[in-house]
Amino acid sequence: AQTVTQSQPEMSVQEAETVTLSCTYDTSENNYYLFWYKQPPSRQMILVIRQEAYKQQNATENRFSVNFQKAAKSFSLKISDSQLGDTAMYFCAFMKGAGGTSYGKLTFGQGTILTVHP
Amino acid sequence: DTGVSQDPRHKITKRGQNVTFRCDPISEHNRLYWYRQTLGQGPEFLTYFQNEAQLEKSRLLSDRFSAERPKGSFSTLEIQRTEQGDSAMYLCASSPPGTGALGAFFGQGTRLTVV
Repeated sequence: AQTVTQSQPEMSVQEAETVTLSCTYDTSENNYYLFWYKQPPSRQMILVIRQEAYKQQNATENRFSVNFQKAAKSFSLKISDSQLGDTAMYFCAFMKGAGGTSYGKLTFGQGTILTVHP
Repeated sequence: DTGVSQDPRHKITKRGQNVTFRCDPISEHNRLYWYRQTLGQGPEFLTYFQNEAQLEKSRLLSDRFSAERPKGSFSTLEIQRTEQGDSAMYLCASSPPGTGALGAFFGQGTRLTVV
């Protein structure tokens, strides 16, 4: 079974600053995907960024980037130039790759509440 | 709106009553998932369909819970004889055919309160 751990229950950052959210995971799989999802208050969960485990290059989406350390099983999210609209709960999630059962099922961490202050 | 749609958004029910939730996935998404999320926690997997076949059920899904996806389109999640511990947000998600690299697309959820 896979586990995902987010050790920071809450984080805060000033607008325009940079913040890093931590995530570690445990798996015996070699083929998998990692995701960061954002869940604003009372709104639906949306995908922020994804990383394929077989890719060494860290994924980047505009102000969002990840630091993927496969050997350490670490997958942190960096948000640059933080904006008020980034205030949300952020979840790290693991998904097994194709070819087996449970394929497509996400295992989530406990979440980190991020507050961006003006 | 072509996103995942869930109905109702909120449901308040008395303990012991049955409730049913509906999820309409994104068109052409063959996989559909149900998750449960309690306050301040990450979503927990409940069950998963590929087309009309229910391929996996979590141990969290007791005998009081049943899910269906007739014809591989919309899905329903029914909870019989509700208990206060069933109070949670029930999330539906769907994903397209393929490797799964795109992740899942979530609906806005149905918040259930059992009183």
